[in-house]
Amino acid sequence: GNSVTQMEGPVTLSEEAFLTINCTYTATGYPSLFWYVQYPGEGLQLLLKATKADDKGSNKGFEATYRKETTSFHLEKGSVQVSDSAVYFCALSPNSGNTPLVFGKGTRLSVIA
Amino acid sequence: EPEVTQTPSHQVTQMGQEVILRCVPISNHLYFYWYRQILGQKVEFLVSFYNNEISEKSEIFDDQFSVERPDGSNFTLKIRSTKLEDSAMYFCASSEVGTSGFYNEQFFGPGTRLTVL
Repeated sequence: GNSVTQMEGPVTLSEEAFLTINCTYTATGYPSLFWYVQYPGEGLQLLLKATKADDKGSNKGFEATYRKETTSFHLEKGSVQVSDSAVYFCALSPNSGNTPLVFGKGTRLSVIA
Repeated sequence: EPEVTQTPSHQVTQMGQEVILRCVPISNHLYFYWYRQILGQKVEFLVSFYNNEISEKSEIFDDQFSVERPDGSNFTLKIRSTKLEDSAMYFCASSEVGTSGFYNEQFFGPGTRLTVL
């Protein structure tokens, strides 16, 4: 079946530190991959996505590359800010269109000044 | 910017009681979803809804659950007789109708935390 595994949190970093949140997936076929972010008190927001192998999704300084050979989609940011403190969810969509998302457990990131 | 809203933000209920969780999707969206996240576990898909009927459902979505679009704006999830294990955060999402070959972004609400005592 389809599944997503992401690193356990919480992750605590100092401002301007480098961030990596690991995500690996299991899927049949060629899924689309996503990172969602949930800021305190808000809903899940799409942060970035990649729809095929070797695609790089990027947004707000965050990046993730779809690696088919390692079935990974690790989230990175070169210099985190306090405002990046949130819960980050890796997810996949097995097909296109309106298919349900398959999520990881989420990783809580806290950035301290 | 249009957003998905959910009410209430927190619902506390006794085991065996019925609860209705409410969602207002983005107005031009036609596809609706419910997901839930039990504390410390993954966000799990429950059901999707399109054209006034269930499009897809997971094994979690048993006879205790039902969904409805009672009017032009609301989308509800009903749990008929709540169990302790129904305690979770419930997320509603909506999206435009998909075009074959393209992913349609799902926009999520802030969630309703359901606590069953």
